[in-house]
Amino acid sequence: ETGVTQTPRHLVMGMTNKKSLKCEQHLGHNAMYWYKQSAKKPLELMFVYSLEERVENNSVPSRFSPECPNSSHLFLHLHTLQPEDSALYLCASSQGPSGGAGDGELFFGEGSRLTVL
Amino acid sequence: AQSVTQLGSHVSVSEGALVLLRCNYSSSVPPYLFWYVQYPNQGLQLLLKYTSAATLVKGINGFEAEFKKSETSFHLTKPSAHMSDAAEYFCAVSENSGYALNFGKGTSLLVTP
Repeated sequence: ETGVTQTPRHLVMGMTNKKSLKCEQHLGHNAMYWYKQSAKKPLELMFVYSLEERVENNSVPSRFSPECPNSSHLFLHLHTLQPEDSALYLCASSQGPSGGAGDGELFFGEGSRLTVL
Repeated sequence: AQSVTQLGSHVSVSEGALVLLRCNYSSSVPPYLFWYVQYPNQGLQLLLKYTSAATLVKGINGFEAEFKKSETSFHLTKPSAHMSDAAEYFCAVSENSGYALNFGKGTSLLVTP
């Protein structure tokens, strides 16, 4: 099993569709993250979960809805997206916050390439 | 909040030449610093990290970086570039008591024959 697995790798959806991105980590980590990577833009942190509780939400539109049912799984539910939401969505995990159990190192999945038509 | 600045969004080197990718950080306390590499259509992979042990850090694929507090820098180097080094490189800094890393904008490395 690879460390962090994301599915699907590619997704094309219309603006009225509802879809979900899935992330699973096999590293025994306590924190999971969603990042958005758009062309020619810096990596944008979207959500952080620690022990299944959301600890950060960086002003993300409500059409993105995260879910973390347990410390190994993280979902990003997508609803009525816009074409500008097309991007690579990266999931990551870490042992915990830096200064605590770990140094903050993130372990990334391969990403889900989303295209909104 | 701590941040990093990567100088140069694109760097081009010849195969066999020295690779130097620049990163400066802003921090009032000793930070944790990271370099990640991203190949096309893939996620980010850790190259190396500084966690206040040795100031010269060796990573994978022949890369290394030196933490210089006086210059607030953490530049990435490799003595001899290989074609397979062509990728996007990200510098990142960690808050000493927080989650998530703050990433730089990335530097695209092109290696020419």
